[in-house]
Amino acid sequence: EIVLTQSPATLSLSPGERATLSCGASQSLGSYLAWYQQKPGQAPRLLIYDASNRATGIPARFSGSGSGTDFTLTISSLEPEDFAVYYCQQRSDWPLTFGGGTKVEIK
Amino acid sequence: QVQLVESGGGVVQPGWSLRLSCAASGFTFSSYGMHWFRQAPGKGLEWVAVVRNNGINKYYGDSVKGRFTISRDNSKNTLNLEMNNLRTEDTAVYYCAKDRGTEAYGALNWGQGTLVTVSS
Repeated sequence: EIVLTQSPATLSLSPGERATLSCGASQSLGSYLAWYQQKPGQAPRLLIYDASNRATGIPARFSGSGSGTDFTLTISSLEPEDFAVYYCQQRSDWPLTFGGGTKVEIK
Repeated sequence: QVQLVESGGGVVQPGWSLRLSCAASGFTFSSYGMHWFRQAPGKGLEWVAVVRNNGINKYYGDSVKGRFTISRDNSKNTLNLEMNNLRTEDTAVYYCAKDRGTEAYGALNWGQGTLVTVSS
């Protein structure tokens, strides 16, 4: 199965700062990578699909980039509601797999 | 608006079976792929299974293959997960999710989850 490695595990930032989250794949995914946000006690929310496409209703401060084995989720200016755990997930091959997550916490 | 409501969770012993259901509303159910995901307490997300909109094509995660069966009833707007030979490591919150396409293009809408606890 395809292994996704997210870094860093934890990102400590202040509101207004830029967040850069990374996801590396054990083999090429093309552009078949998604990003999800999950807040405590809530279901995940799809942010980005196919590497760089924002899902419906997702603010423009969220952007995704990358292809092949290296991907990035950028939050241009952190809002208080953005502090959460972020997961990447590939759909290039079965089984679908997730990375271990990056927690974005308030510094 | 899209609504997904899971049911059927509970406490069972290892080796037992359990059937989860997900009632869908607010969209044309037969047009979208449907997933089950799970999350063990304090852990990350794990994909469990997906069924294509036609109900024929089904795919499973390695940890549940041969034990779990996903199915859907497009006439009743219902998604099911039959779980057999449950193990303690199957303990998790189980989420059903609607894909943004006909199979596995991205899980766009999620239910609130149902807790399955496998313990002796």
